[in-house]
Amino acid sequence: RKEVEQDPGPFNVPEGATVAFNCTYSNSASQSFFWYRQDCRKEPKLLMSVYSSGNEDGRFTAQLNRASQYISLLIRDSKLSDSATYLCATHNAGNMLTFGGGTRLMVKP
Amino acid sequence: NAGVTQTPKFRILKIGQSMTLQCTQDMNHNYMYWYRQDPGMGLKLIYYSVGAGITDKGEVPNGYNVSRSTTEDFPLRLELAAPSQTSVYFCASTERRAGNTIYFGEGSWLTVV
Repeated sequence: RKEVEQDPGPFNVPEGATVAFNCTYSNSASQSFFWYRQDCRKEPKLLMSVYSSGNEDGRFTAQLNRASQYISLLIRDSKLSDSATYLCATHNAGNMLTFGGGTRLMVKP
Repeated sequence: NAGVTQTPKFRILKIGQSMTLQCTQDMNHNYMYWYRQDPGMGLKLIYYSVGAGITDKGEVPNGYNVSRSTTEDFPLRLELAAPSQTSVYFCASTERRAGNTIYFGEGSWLTVV
């Protein structure tokens, strides 16, 4: 089993839609959690960290469920510019930063 | 504001050749990482380092070597290039504490023919 798993998609949604991604992790010792955005042929860039209490940044909301070992990302009011690949990542006590395979989002007019 | 700098950006290698991908960061970060990303896939950890003189294997270390003689530099060595090593390589760094932002270089596109 992969340490961090994501549905690869693609998720095809119309502008204005709400879309949610989940990411499961197998290492219960994971300490920190992140969502990254990656555009085609570019490096990943941090979208947001994920906190136990959940956190929101504009149209983006991230949640962490430690009991079930998954994190989620909700995007409201999707924009064309949100089209990208979204990678979840976990950072464990052994200092390894592990990424999921990414979920591709395509927002259509 | 250089951040994480990788060189070269593009390289074509012949099977069996060797090369070094350079990575340097100017943020005084202790932690540095090398990842590879195959087309349409996620990032796989090759090697990482928690400080000068300390390196450790990640998920896919075979065919690669690293060294960390200084805090700033973390080069990745391919000794005998194989077509399976055709990929995009990303170097990243972060401060000591888990949870801090990870900074990526712009990537190195490597093709082995």
